[in-house]
Amino acid sequence: EVQLVESGGGLVKPGGSLRLSCAASGFTFSSYSMNWVRQAPGKGLEWVSSISSSSSYIYYADSVKGRFTISRDNAKNSLYLQMNSLRAEDTAVYYCASGVRALDYWGQGTLVTVSS
Amino acid sequence: EIVLTQSPGTLSLSPGERATLSCRASQSVSSSYLAWYQQKPGQAPRLLIYGASSRATGIPDRFSGSGSGTDFTLTISRLEPEDFAVYYCQQYGSSPPFTFGQGTRLEIK
Repeated sequence: EVQLVESGGGLVKPGGSLRLSCAASGFTFSSYSMNWVRQAPGKGLEWVSSISSSSSYIYYADSVKGRFTISRDNAKNSLYLQMNSLRAEDTAVYYCASGVRALDYWGQGTLVTVSS
Repeated sequence: EIVLTQSPGTLSLSPGERATLSCRASQSVSSSYLAWYQQKPGQAPRLLIYGASSRATGIPDRFSGSGSGTDFTLTISRLEPEDFAVYYCQQYGSSPPFTFGQGTRLEIK
């Protein structure tokens, strides 16, 4: 069974940093591109970042470019999102997601709250 | 950047009725890369349709997708109580950003 488990969310002050992790199991992690998608409270889904299976290709939404860094460790079956210079508008549930056909698999999400 | 616009914003229907949800793109989207997701409160999204018209694993056949170019449709033939949720379309083609539509809320009338 495919499992994606996010962790690392919490309350952080504006301008602060946070590192999210996503632990994957039940599939060949090193063969799949991985993604972060976020959802602000009461709002829709927003794609944040993607990383290819070997980390050769990395993409970011304009809203996070220059502040967020996606990375992965295929030996540990783990995906990361380093978030710096956090703003109130980054407050959201952050999901890691992956799949072959589209975003077939999603984690349960981790809540990031940016507030003073 | 491709902008996806979903309509209507909210759809009020009764169980047993047919639901038709629209997703319109600001520029052509390869049909291979248009997906639909269902999200219920407090849950992660679930993939329903990929490649514009292919059902994901375990999705009932009352869900169907169609369309090409800039106009795509998700149809639910006969609504079941568990189908009332929010639905999102997404384009995930070769070039990011892999944008989502703003969502359609399907509510019980």
